[in-house]
Amino acid sequence: DQQVKQNSPSLSVQEGRISILNCDYTNSMFDYFLWYKKYPAEGPTFLISISSIKDKNEDGRFTVFLNKSAKHLSLHIVPSQPGDSAVYFCAASAVTSGSRLTFGEGTQLTVNP
Amino acid sequence: DSGVTQTPKHLITATGQRVTLRCSPRSGDLSVYWYQQSLDQGLQFLIQYYNGEERAKGNILERFSAQQFPDLHSELNLSSLELGDSALYFCASSVAPVAGTGNTIYFGEGSWLTVV
Repeated sequence: DQQVKQNSPSLSVQEGRISILNCDYTNSMFDYFLWYKKYPAEGPTFLISISSIKDKNEDGRFTVFLNKSAKHLSLHIVPSQPGDSAVYFCAASAVTSGSRLTFGEGTQLTVNP
Repeated sequence: DSGVTQTPKHLITATGQRVTLRCSPRSGDLSVYWYQQSLDQGLQFLIQYYNGEERAKGNILERFSAQQFPDLHSELNLSSLELGDSALYFCASSVAPVAGTGNTIYFGEGSWLTVV
């Protein structure tokens, strides 16, 4: 049972444009959501998070939007840079399960110069 | 550099053998997590320790065990290894035991285990 799904395995955008990565979840108990970026041969790097009491959180070029009624979140990267090319993982947790993170399958983002 | 240190980075071993993966959390972090990433699966939560005590258990096989020592480093022991255990094993750490704003979970670079 895949509780967190990233339906797009890959996304390609031009440098300077917006990248939008999507994530859907099924567990209504999830109350904290995170995005991680992963380069090959490295561990996941924390990017940004959002609590379920918010619908938007912004940090520099990265903005995460949460739509609880649709059980959907998205990560916007504006403007996209070639260095953003990596695999992006969406993750979620529920206070009832402590800090256990449930990850999506990841989306490979490629930003073309 | 996340501050989470994992050793070894790469390990090749035969089926039936036992290995130990080691993790040093970020300075000040009391919580340690282990995740497994296989080729055909995403990151799967295995187990969490907080200040030496087991906090949460995920899809960890009975052949696998872990512990967190008084100096807060952790070890993941994998025994009776099978080909399907080949994967990237990540350790992560955080200050507090519960995910939330202000309690970021930082990942190490992983230990790549190949069972032949």
